[in-house]
Amino acid sequence: SQQGEEDPQALSIQEGENATMNCSYKTSINNLQWYRQNSGRGLVHLILIRSNEREKHSGRLRVTLDTSKKSSSLLITASRAADTASYFCATDAGGNNRLAFGKGNQVVVIP
Amino acid sequence: SQTIHQWPATLVQPVGSPLSLECTVEGTSNPNLYWYRQAAGRGLQLLFYSVGIGQISSEVPQNLSASRPQDRQFILSSKKLLLSDSGFYLCAWRHGTGGRWSYEQYFGPGTRLTVT
Repeated sequence: SQQGEEDPQALSIQEGENATMNCSYKTSINNLQWYRQNSGRGLVHLILIRSNEREKHSGRLRVTLDTSKKSSSLLITASRAADTASYFCATDAGGNNRLAFGKGNQVVVIP
Repeated sequence: SQTIHQWPATLVQPVGSPLSLECTVEGTSNPNLYWYRQAAGRGLQLLFYSVGIGQISSEVPQNLSASRPQDRQFILSSKKLLLSDSGFYLCAWRHGTGGRWSYEQYFGPGTRLTVT
């Protein structure tokens, strides 16, 4: 079953602005991951945050995790036109080899 | 380095025809393998996953089946396609247990299937 649920579904911003998207889940997790999908392509792994971590950075990406609220956020700073894509969160409950993906956020960065 | 291949890239098939999609991984051994389907504008639905040769777990009952005849080969099949089988099919792999441990999945380029 799909655990992750991203909010909002679609986001349109100007180049240089920050983009924030959220994800909520329902059960205990081992880690939470964010992926990017360009139109018509496969998904690309962006960042993973473990259940015992609260914040993680990778380049212009910042991920937070609040296990008490069962939610995560992905922040893209100083957005670029190339960041236009759909972004998915995925939860790993551990021990079952599977990820549960959310419905995705579509982000459009206007040059 | 590891790479993952899927073919064909696009496919148009009539209702009731058979289906065979192939996925192969290079540069790793004993990977976990996954088949997902993505409907237009939707998230990913896990269809099958495999932790070893001949070991297939089905997530959703449907008219699709999967097989893993070799360590790095994963095949998605159907005997008779339905209109509802249309979608974007993605294969993915992850390092299995043992050796390097990694939680993230690596996706292939996908197959766009249209059933007419």
